Amino acid sequence: QSALTQPASVSGSPGQSITISCTGTNSDVGGYDYVSWYQQRPDKAPKLIIYNVSRRPSGVSDRFSGSKSGNTASLTISALQAEDEADFYCSSYTSSTTPYVFGSGTKVTVL
Amino acid sequence: EVQLVESGGDLSQPGGSLRLSCAASGFKFFTYAMHWVRQAPGQGLEWVAYISSSSNAIYYSDSVKGRFAISRDDANNSLSLEMNSLRADDTAVYFCVRWGRKEASFDSWGQGTLVTVST
Repeated sequence: QSALTQPASVSGSPGQSITISCTGTNSDVGGYDYVSWYQQRPDKAPKLIIYNVSRRPSGVSDRFSGSKSGNTASLTISALQAEDEADFYCSSYTSSTTPYVFGSGTKVTVL
Repeated sequence: EVQLVESGGDLSQPGGSLRLSCAASGFKFFTYAMHWVRQAPGQGLEWVAYISSSSNAIYYSDSVKGRFAISRDDANNSLSLEMNSLRADDTAVYFCVRWGRKEASFDSWGQGTLVTVST
């Protein structure tokens, strides 16, 4: 099972919105609504920020939002802040022999 | 508060073995499925293994199948990963991760333990 495809890096200025894509197949992203997103700051453990494509856990900023169209899921960060600089990973359930897969990861830089 | 604390990471020679442990607290451990996820230095996340709440379903990534074994001890709120026939590409930080029942996602992570496989 190959990793889901994410852009290596995305950048934006404070206050702007950015979107990170996560492309898979109809055996993972396109086939299930079990897409989640994680934020990982340097030398820290990942943190869940979106689950079931678009739901936010309690305590996560509403500046983070998720969506899905076909085999591509997206994470949008609105009103970008310096504290949003981190690596972001998507994940999906998959019907392959290995039931869970992560995306390749995207480094977000706030200019 | 949910806490997951990994231990057991160390330096091992290729072909060696290690056993990782994860101590869980702050939640009803026996009701949750658990995972191990790893991250090689400077690389992305890689799912490694899954065990259901009742231990009746276990899955592994193709890269560790036949070499690693996941298990749990609900009486002691602990998760383990037995790692055999270690290879250089097993070098990574290994995270113990809870599977959220409602969220159907990796909802709580430990801080990780570093495994280094090298001569």
